[in-house]
Parts: sequence; C-alpha cells; structure tokens
Amino acid sequence: QVRLQESGPGLVKPSQTLSLTCTVSGGSINSGYYFWTWIRQPAGKGLEWIGRIYISGSTNYNPSLKSRVIISIDTSRNQFSLKLNSVTAADTAVYYCAKGTDYARIDPWGQGILVTVSS
Amino acid sequence: QSLLTQPPSASETPGQRVTISCSGSSSNIGRNYVFWYQQLPGTAPKLLIYRNTQRPSGVPDRFSGSKSGTSASLAISGLRSEDEADYYCAAWDDSLSGAVFGGGTKLTVL
Repeated sequence: QVRLQESGPGLVKPSQTLSLTCTVSGGSINSGYYFWTWIRQPAGKGLEWIGRIYISGSTNYNPSLKSRVIISIDTSRNQFSLKLNSVTAADTAVYYCAKGTDYARIDPWGQGILVTVSS
Repeated sequence: QSLLTQPPSASETPGQRVTISCSGSSSNIGRNYVFWYQQLPGTAPKLLIYRNTQRPSGVPDRFSGSKSGTSASLAISGLRSEDEADYYCAAWDDSLSGAVFGGGTKLTVL
C-alpha cells in the first residue's frame, strides 16, 4: 500500500514562498496512471483542491491559485512538490498530498502538515 | 463558496439512517463521477465512496452512495457513534479542469 508523507517548513512569512515536498513510499511514483495531488484545509473549514501532476509533468491547477502555484515531480527521489508564492494569512492551512486516479478519486492521503503564514 | 453544495450539518440517533445531499451542476456532477470522503476528527480524509456508488474494500456496506442528474447522496444506515465525522463530496469539474469539493457536512450521532 502506497504511503505519502508531507514535509517542509511549518511557518512562512507573508509575501514569501511556501514550499512542501511529498515523499511516496511503498511503491514507485512512476507506476500506474496516477495523478499526484495537493489539497489544503484551513482550520475549521473545508477542503480545497490545489492541483495535480502526472509523471509526464502535465499539470492541472485550481484556477483560483493557478497564478501562484507550481507542482513538480522528481521521479528519481519518488517525490513531488508544491510551491505557492506570495503567500498571505489566507494561505494558512493543513496541506495534504495524495494519490489521485480517475478524476476526483483521491486515495490515499498523507497525514497533512500545518503551514502557518505569519511574520 | 463551494461549487458543490452540502448541508453544513446533520444529526441522527444511533441505529437510524441519515442521508447527506450534494448538489452540483452540469459541468461537474452532471457529467462526472461523485466521490465521498470521511474525515474523522483530527485525521486526514479517507475515501468512502468512489464512482457514485462503489465502496473501497474495508468500508462497511452501511455506507452507500447514489447519484441522479446533478445531485448525489450519501446514506449511512445503522448509525454508530464512530460515524461522527465530517463528510465531503467531490467531483471533477470540466469547466475548471479540476476537482471540486463540497463544503462538508458535520454529522453528529446523538
């Protein structure tokens, strides 16, 4: 069973870039027709799909975040990453990485990492 | 505001049946599969229903999904205290070329 683990700074200053990495274990990030996905959840609020990447490098992003987001993949390290620039307090959330298959099927999820945007 | 609309809360007593609705549009639920996720307090969401009606292995048959037109529903029968959680519907949106989630429904087992 594939497992995912998010890592990165838990505190980012406003206007800076949030950078997170997701490490995939228990299987190759190259195998199968999967979309490696990022989702976030502000405290006490709902889920927001950020975007996804296929092993070819092809990406889809949430239009509301598209101008600030880059998702990349490193198959040699079995990792994929999220960069969100020009962050504000509104970007404070738990960020989840996950494996996506057909459309909105997202399974499994990482445990999540809290990122706080504050000076 | 979410493109998929769910009631913010639902409640029922143990042993009873509860239904959670999810309303979308022709660009998401109307054209694509619906998925349901369960988020227990303090944990990551877990896939509960996929492709409108299918249960992953390990999900009890007390959980069932349905879809009609641009709406979908999640039904939970024989409610247990451990079913108390937030439930989210999701679907791909062709206009956005991205996945969209409902706002979530907090289920309370009284």
